[in-house]
Amino acid sequence: QVQLQQSGPGLVEPSQTLSLTCAISGDSVSSNSAAWNWIRQSPSRGLEWLGRAYYRSEWFYDYAESVKGRITFNSDTSKNHFSLQLNSVTPADTAVYYCAKGREKRYNWFVTWGQGTLVTVSS
Amino acid sequence: DIQVTQSPSSLAASVGDNVTISCRASRSLSSYLNWYQQTPGEAPKLLIYASATLHTGVPSRFSGRGSGIDFTLTISGLQPEDFATYYCQQSHSTPNTFGQGTKLEIK
Repeated sequence: QVQLQQSGPGLVEPSQTLSLTCAISGDSVSSNSAAWNWIRQSPSRGLEWLGRAYYRSEWFYDYAESVKGRITFNSDTSKNHFSLQLNSVTPADTAVYYCAKGREKRYNWFVTWGQGTLVTVSS
Repeated sequence: DIQVTQSPSSLAASVGDNVTISCRASRSLSSYLNWYQQTPGEAPKLLIYASATLHTGVPSRFSGRGSGIDFTLTISGLQPEDFATYYCQQSHSTPNTFGQGTKLEIK
C-alpha cells in the first residue's frame, strides 16, 4: 500500500521560498507507471493542481502556468522522496499543500494523497 | 485551460436518499473525469476515475457516468459517512482542473 508523508515548514515569509517534501513508501519515486503531483487548496482558489513529475528513462515535468517560473520539482531516489519549491511567495500562496500519486498523460487521477501541509505566507 | 463547473454547490439530503451531482466541462473530456470525496481536515479521496470506474474499496452505492462534457456522480442510499464535499477533476488536459465542490449536508 502506497503512503505519502509530507514534511516542511508551515510558515514562510513573503518573497521567500516555500519548500515541501513528500516521502514515498510502498512505491518508487522513479516508478515507470507513477507521476508525482503537487496540489494546493485554499478557500479563494479551491483545489489547484500545481504540476507533476514522472520518470520514463528520464524525468518529465508538467507545471501549471499559474506558478510556472516560480516552481521547481526535484526527486531523490536515495531517499525515495520528491519535493516542491515555490519561489517569491506572497500571501496568495497561503494554502494547504498536498502531494499525490497519479500517472502520466490523461491517466492522472490521484489515487494516494499526502496528509496535507498548511503553509501560511506571512511576516 | 479546461473549466469544470459543478452543480449544485450545496445539497441537503437525508440518510437513505439518492443524490446526483453534476459536472460540466468547457470542452470534451472524452471519459477523463474523476470524482473525489473530502471530509473536513482530510485530504480528498478518489471515488471514481475515468467517468465510471469505481476505485478499489469504494462502496457500490457510488456510481459515475458521462462522456464528452457532461458527467454525474450518483450516491444511491445515502449513508451517514457520505455527508462530505465532493469534487470532480478533469485529467484530459494539463493543467488538470477541479470543480469548485459540492457540499452534501444532512437535511
